[in-house]
Amino acid sequence: ILNVEQSPQSLHVQEGDSTNFTCSFPSSNFYALHWYRWETAKSPEALFVMTLNGDEKKKGRISATLNTKEGYSYLYIKGSQPEDSATYLCAFLFGSGNTGKLIFGQGTTLQVKP
Amino acid sequence: ETGVTQTPRHLVMGMTNKKSLKCEQHLGHNAMYWYKQSAKKPLELMFVYNFKEQTENNSVPSRFSPECPNSSHLFLHLHTLQPEDSALYLCASSQEGSGPGNTIYFGEGSWLTVV
Repeated sequence: ILNVEQSPQSLHVQEGDSTNFTCSFPSSNFYALHWYRWETAKSPEALFVMTLNGDEKKKGRISATLNTKEGYSYLYIKGSQPEDSATYLCAFLFGSGNTGKLIFGQGTTLQVKP
Repeated sequence: ETGVTQTPRHLVMGMTNKKSLKCEQHLGHNAMYWYKQSAKKPLELMFVYNFKEQTENNSVPSRFSPECPNSSHLFLHLHTLQPEDSALYLCASSQEGSGPGNTIYFGEGSWLTVV
């Protein structure tokens, strides 16, 4: 059974704090790992698609790393702002070719207090 | 603004009703998907369509019937649903054939309540 685990489930931080979350996934038959940000009443928005072991990607204050051998990815947010409040989802691509066959974790819900 | 539009955004239906959810993508993609988000569960893949052909049915009950008349439109026909089918249904699209690094784009979802 393919399983994607995210931790923590929820997180409350103060504005300006830096934070990170973990995504664990099966280390065999790896194709890609996706990170999404999902704000309330909006559509999930893609942050990163990572395909290579050792990948590091950055978008503004948000960055992610990937370790496919041990099956984990970290998402970092530097200097959190209230607008970073959202649920962060990671998803593991299973099966070759078809991008949309993603197995999602339950997400980490981040609340940033001003 | 999203390139994937879903209607209706909210739907309440009785267990004997027949209704449909509609999805339209304006991104020129060739693959479309239905995902389901139930309370306290991860997003679950339901159906996959590539070039209008269904390529995946993730053991979804037959009371959910997808239809993809062309690469831009996807429907989910609903009939004789159960209260436990109440959930958020998300449509998504992507451009297939370019490798595993493709992004998929989601709509805002249709909230379904079965009474």
